[in-house]
Order: sequence, then structure tokens, then C-alpha cells
Amino acid sequence: QKEVEQNSGPLSVPEGAIASLNCTYSDRGSQSFFWYRQYSGKSPELIMSIYSNGDKEDGRFTAQLNKASQYVSLLIRDSQPSDSATYLCAVSNSGGSNYKLTFGKGTLLTVNP
Amino acid sequence: NAGVMQNPRHLVRRRGQEARLRCSPMKGHSHVYWYRQLPEEGLKFMVYLQKENIIDESGMPKERFSAEFPKEGPSILRIQQVVRGDSAAYFCASSPPLKEDGYTFGSGTRLTVV
Repeated sequence: QKEVEQNSGPLSVPEGAIASLNCTYSDRGSQSFFWYRQYSGKSPELIMSIYSNGDKEDGRFTAQLNKASQYVSLLIRDSQPSDSATYLCAVSNSGGSNYKLTFGKGTLLTVNP
Repeated sequence: NAGVMQNPRHLVRRRGQEARLRCSPMKGHSHVYWYRQLPEEGLKFMVYLQKENIIDESGMPKERFSAEFPKEGPSILRIQQVVRGDSAAYFCASSPPLKEDGYTFGSGTRLTVV
């Protein structure tokens, strides 16, 4: 049973701070890793993808991957109230079913003005 | 360039009725994926279809659930004899062949069984 674990939160940070979201996964053969943002009552929105060890930056977002530790993180710099949402970590299956994503239950982030 | 279109956005069914959820993929996409999000649960894979073929239905409940993606028209997720436990948000995503990036989801159908 492939698993993706996230701290459910809520994670509360003040406006302008760095929010750090973490995720661990069980499938050692996974090759693709994604972060989705989901506002209440809305569909998940892809915000970051990462495929190799290290950091990947896109605007205020930085994804970090450590395959040896089976760990993925998302940093949000200069957090804004509009970043308040649930953040979902998703990991692709290894092998021939890499089209299939396993999602964590998500971390609820609240950015306080 | 319209995104993945799902309808209806909200669907209310009484126990025992049938629910039909529709998904029109992005233009040029021939692969469709259905996921279900139960309350307080993560998104769970249900089924992966290509035109006229079910590729992987390992996430589909064994009974009452079926999916199709005909040569013409949208993909349909069909739930027969709905029960309260089927109440969830159902999301569809699409991709072209060989795409390995994360999906773009449609807006979802929120099914409520009363």
C-alpha cells in the first residue's frame, strides 16, 4: 500500500513569514512529485512539480526533494492571506503505473494578516 | 483553450438512484483520469481511460461503479444505486499521451446522496 503522509495542520503563519509544508512517501521508486493547492470547495490546482533531488524555485514557491529520505517539502516565502488553503502533496507510482498519483490528505495553511 | 470541463457541478441524488458524471477533456487530450475525494480524505485514484479503452480501473469499487470514454463525447462515470457513502467530490483530469507532468483537474462534481 503506497502512502503519502502530511501533517494535517492547521499550520498558522503571519503574513510575510515563510510557510514550510512537509510530506513523506513510502514508494521508493517514485519519480515525480507534485504540490497542489486546494481552496475550500474548489478543485486542486497544480502549483509545483519536482523530479530530481534538490531545490526548485518558482516565484515565492520552492519545492525540495530528498529521494534518499523519501521527503518532499514546499516553502512559501512572503506568505499572503490568499495563500490560505489546503496543500496536497502527490507522488506518482513507480513502474508502469506512473500515471497514477497518490495524494496525502493535505495540510491546511492559514496566513494571518 | 478551455480546460477540463465537468458537469454537473453539483448533483443531488436519493439513495438507490443513478448518478452520471460527465467529463470533457481538454482539446487534443485522449487520456482521462477520475479521482474521488471523500470528506476529510485525500484524493483517491479511481480509473484511467483512453478513447474506447479502460486502462486501469484498480481504484473503482467492485460494484455499482463504471466508467467509459467513448470515441465521441465526454467520459462518463456512472454510479448505480447510490448510497450515502458515495457522497463526495469527483474530479476528472486529462492529458495527452506520454505526459508525465501532474494533471490539471476539472472543477469537479459534488455528489450528495440524501
